[in-house]
Amino acid sequence: QKEVEQDPGPLSVPEGAIVSLNCTYSNSAFQYFMWYRQYSRKGPELLMYTYSSGNKEDGRFTAQVDKSSKYISLFIRDSQPSDSATYLCAMSVSGTYKYIFGTGTRLKVLA
Amino acid sequence: SAVISQKPSRDICQRGTSLTIQCQVDSQVTMMFWYRQQPGQSLTLIATANQGSEATYESGFVIDKFPISRPNLTFSTLTVSNMSPEDSSIYLCSVDPGGRGNTIYFGEGSWLTVV
Repeated sequence: QKEVEQDPGPLSVPEGAIVSLNCTYSNSAFQYFMWYRQYSRKGPELLMYTYSSGNKEDGRFTAQVDKSSKYISLFIRDSQPSDSATYLCAMSVSGTYKYIFGTGTRLKVLA
Repeated sequence: SAVISQKPSRDICQRGTSLTIQCQVDSQVTMMFWYRQQPGQSLTLIATANQGSEATYESGFVIDKFPISRPNLTFSTLTVSNMSPEDSSIYLCSVDPGGRGNTIYFGEGSWLTVV
């Protein structure tokens, strides 16, 4: 079993839709959770990171962590064609400097 | 956060040659990391490079193939040696500016195609 599982997609949604992207993990020691956006042939861009269970909001993006279920989500409201990219989740244990990445979900927002 | 510049951004390389990728950060950082992302795959850590010490390589990666330099707190290089088509990937430099292991930032990446 992989430490981090992420549905590869592709996920196609109409412009303006609410998008839900998800990752599950097996290592209960993970403490930090990150979401990255990656455009084709570019480096990943950090969107959000969270530490505790619960929600964290930043503009149209909301990151949600449920440590009891070992499940994290990224919600995108009012999705735009410019949101079309691959979204990667990542996790780490504090102080280890080991980051485990999901395989990424390809998102396409249709105009 | 951190601003990370990588050179080259992309290159087409001949089989058997070597290429050095440069990574420049806009602030001093202790931890720098080199990742590889093969087409359609997620990120794989090649090595961790700390200033003043030898790089630490992950399983499956060796110094002879991927020598790394870290001469100061803002700069690092990764060389991909004796390239084969299997080395065609995006190579990414990343840093943990806070040094707490809770977030890392990536450069734009170096897209290498080996022919």
